[in-house]
Amino acid sequence: EAQVTQNPRYLITVTGKKLTVTCSQNMNHEYMSWYRQDPGLGLRQIYYSMNVEVTDKGDVPEGYKVSRKEKRNFPLILESPSPNQTSLYFCASSLDSNSPLHFGNGTRLTVT
Amino acid sequence: GQNIDQPTEMTATEGAIVQINCTYQTSGFNGLFWYQQHAGEAPTFLSYNVLDGLEEKGRFSSFLSRSKGYSYLLLKELQMKDSASYLCAVKNNAGKSTFGDGTTLTVKP
Repeated sequence: EAQVTQNPRYLITVTGKKLTVTCSQNMNHEYMSWYRQDPGLGLRQIYYSMNVEVTDKGDVPEGYKVSRKEKRNFPLILESPSPNQTSLYFCASSLDSNSPLHFGNGTRLTVT
Repeated sequence: GQNIDQPTEMTATEGAIVQINCTYQTSGFNGLFWYQQHAGEAPTFLSYNVLDGLEEKGRFSSFLSRSKGYSYLLLKELQMKDSASYLCAVKNNAGKSTFGDGTTLTVKP
């Protein structure tokens, strides 16, 4: 089944403890992206990648890192999480930058 | 930068037609997407416009006017299951995408 898989679905952590949210797609998509969704603020793009080894900042990249070493994987790294990073995170992929996005099921992160 | 505006909430009656508007400002416009998001779920793709005009897909249609920076999503023969948030998203030619805050549609019997 064609899908975008992100893990974990739920995560509670403490301030400053490094964490990684994984994202993998099995559709051979070139384009991958991370978003956070907060009430009243909609979906905001954190980072995106047009292809392997190519990543660019979205609208809210501060406090996040990404890597795209392989086509299928696009992990989101929080080196030192803070409470303002408590949010619902979505990974998405598309065939290319002009195609519709396929979203993962989301990761609800709470930083205390 | 990119700026997108859409109404926060709309209410309509089952069986009716509803139009959700979206206005945007962007440089390097490279397409406008509409997504549907049910509460607690991931967004799913509804429609895509890159040229001016109307795209029809069953009960859903989307219109784009690039000169006016304007799009709308038209939902016909509304069903209760259409109650959801509808997200307008604009992509630029650098691959960056910006979403509006979403319009929460409530369909009443």
